[in-house]
Amino acid sequence: DGGITQSPKYLFRKEGQNVTLSCEQNLNHDAMYWYRQDPGQGLRLIYYSQIVNDFQKGDIAEGYSVSREKKESFPLTVTSAQKNPTAFYLCASSFGVLYNEQFFGPGTRLTVL
Amino acid sequence: QKEVEQNSGPLSVPEGAIASLNCTYSDRGSQSFFWYRQYSGKSPELIMSIYSNGDKEDGRFTAQLNKASQYVSLLIRDSQPSDSATYLCAVNYGNQFYFGTGTSLTVIP
Repeated sequence: DGGITQSPKYLFRKEGQNVTLSCEQNLNHDAMYWYRQDPGQGLRLIYYSQIVNDFQKGDIAEGYSVSREKKESFPLTVTSAQKNPTAFYLCASSFGVLYNEQFFGPGTRLTVL
Repeated sequence: QKEVEQNSGPLSVPEGAIASLNCTYSDRGSQSFFWYRQYSGKSPELIMSIYSNGDKEDGRFTAQLNKASQYVSLLIRDSQPSDSATYLCAVNYGNQFYFGTGTSLTVIP
């Protein structure tokens, strides 16, 4: 089955720890995205990548890092520098950046203890 | 900052009625527009995309775009309880999408 997978579904982090969220897609999409969703707010873009080995900051990149070593994979690291990391994290992908529909994975819910 | 505004809701309609969801955006350069449905605790699911002025119909859903008024809407005909969800409007600006905060819809049986 084609699709986007994210793992883990739930993640608990102690303050001061870095954690990495996984995102994999087998849709042969070139572009991948990371969003954060907080209660009562829309999705906010953290990072996006149009091709392998290239990525761009979104509106709220501070405290996050990404890599794009393979077309299928776009992991997100939430570092200890992110002051309020508790949120629902969504990965998406599309064939390209312009005019193209984005499809979302199931999400990872991160809670800082 | 690019703005995408949705009617605040929550919106309640009886089963079988038409639900109307509205979205305005700030940048006239936007070229593509999307509606997503998000059930509580789940990720957004793409319902419709629209790129040209006018109407686009897909089953019970109709998206309407008016670029001159910077307005996009979603009509849901014959609303069903399973349509109860939050609906997100998304607008493409250059290389990025911007999302509204969503409108919560409840369809009352």
